[in-house]
Amino acid sequence: EPEVTQTPSHQVTQMGQEVILRCVPISNHLYFYWYRQILGQKVEFLVSFYNNEISEKSEIFDDQFSVERPDGSNFTLKIRSTKLEDSAMYFCASRGSTSGGDGEQFFGPGTRLTVL
Amino acid sequence: LAKTTQPISMDSYEGQEVNITCSHNNIATNDYITWYQQFPSQGPRFIIQGYKTKVTNEVASLFIPADRKSSTLSLPRVSLSDTAVYYCLVGPKAAGNKLTFGGGTRVLVKP
Repeated sequence: EPEVTQTPSHQVTQMGQEVILRCVPISNHLYFYWYRQILGQKVEFLVSFYNNEISEKSEIFDDQFSVERPDGSNFTLKIRSTKLEDSAMYFCASRGSTSGGDGEQFFGPGTRLTVL
Repeated sequence: LAKTTQPISMDSYEGQEVNITCSHNNIATNDYITWYQQFPSQGPRFIIQGYKTKVTNEVASLFIPADRKSSTLSLPRVSLSDTAVYYCLVGPKAAGNKLTFGGGTRVLVKP
């Protein structure tokens, strides 16, 4: 069964450093998402991406965040200057087209980001 | 987006049926009801989706009354591996739409 993959599984960084979280969505999917989950809290939407541009972003997704689909297979989330409060589990998700099915989003296993 | 309310936690025993009810009084005409499951340190996983009446798949059943103001996820004969957080989400089915998660229901299955 196809699945979303994410690397690394765990990233430790110093405050102020840049990090890039990588995702490989399911190959024929068209819609891509990033969510995050701070430990013990709910899953929060960050950004959605379609047709090589951001379609929606949350208040959390400020100028420190950016997304890119550089090569047609990877989907990355960059945090330019990490803060302590960016420590969380980051989930990538993808979804196929509008036609048919339940339209479910498929989530990756997550990257645990720890900012020291 | 319609707000959802579900119990914070539920305990059950292996082999029992677990029913989790979600309240969504402000559900809109074009909203669907979707349930996701999340195991510790994993991403959420789609379980089931419905619009009205009853939907059943190999994992669960979803019961939706005629007024659609609530829904019940039913997990038949749970096992220890069904211990997880279960989220009820309400929103349009459109492809680009973000998922808005609430606090979910933490289900603990005991031996």
